[in-house]
Amino acid sequence: QITLKESGPTLVKPTQTLTLTCTFSGFSLSTSGVGVGWIRQPPGKALEWLALIYWDDDKRYSPSLKSRLTITKDTSKNQVVLTMTNMDPVDTATYYCAHRDYYDSGDAFDIWGQGTMVTVSS
Amino acid sequence: QSALTQPRSVSGSPGQSVTISCTGTSSDVGGYNYVSWYQQHPGKAPKLMIYDVSKRPSGVPDRFSGSKSGNTASLTISGLQAEDEADYYCCSYAGSYGGVFGGGTKLTVL
Repeated sequence: QITLKESGPTLVKPTQTLTLTCTFSGFSLSTSGVGVGWIRQPPGKALEWLALIYWDDDKRYSPSLKSRLTITKDTSKNQVVLTMTNMDPVDTATYYCAHRDYYDSGDAFDIWGQGTMVTVSS
Repeated sequence: QSALTQPRSVSGSPGQSVTISCTGTSSDVGGYNYVSWYQQHPGKAPKLMIYDVSKRPSGVPDRFSGSKSGNTASLTISGLQAEDEADYYCCSYAGSYGGVFGGGTKLTVL
């Protein structure tokens, strides 16, 4: 059974750096075709694709946020970390991590974490 | 990379069919057969309903189907049920840019 869980601060100040951790179980991020992505959703608004890291350490970033995002993986700890610099109130959102397995469900996110709400405020 | 375009809302009566469109460009929807659809109920995480344009994950009812023509993908829900009322999002692979979601569509079952 695949599970993912996001963790990190619930409140950050403007200009600070946000660090979120996705801890997962039930799969290995060293298996060919597997990836973990981050998606966010501001309150009452749409989902926004942020970043994705693949089993081979290839990475993809949203073009509009690329300069502020870094995604890394620690295969031994079953964790993926997303950092976002220079946080602003507009970054207030629920942040989700999600599993991707090309050989199971193509490029789709088939299993999602419960999400973690992050508020940016002074 | 602009968000994919979806209607803000659709509605239908129980038993009817509804179709939600998702329009992108040749750099995303039209360029790859990697469109997925997600259902999201209030306060819940999204759930994958369709992947690779028209494939259904195990456990998703066959009332849900997907298709694509050119730069527009579509999700059709037939035999509408009350529990289908939710927000629906499309998502497309976008090559080196990773992926892009649509703006979401609120489905109301009348």
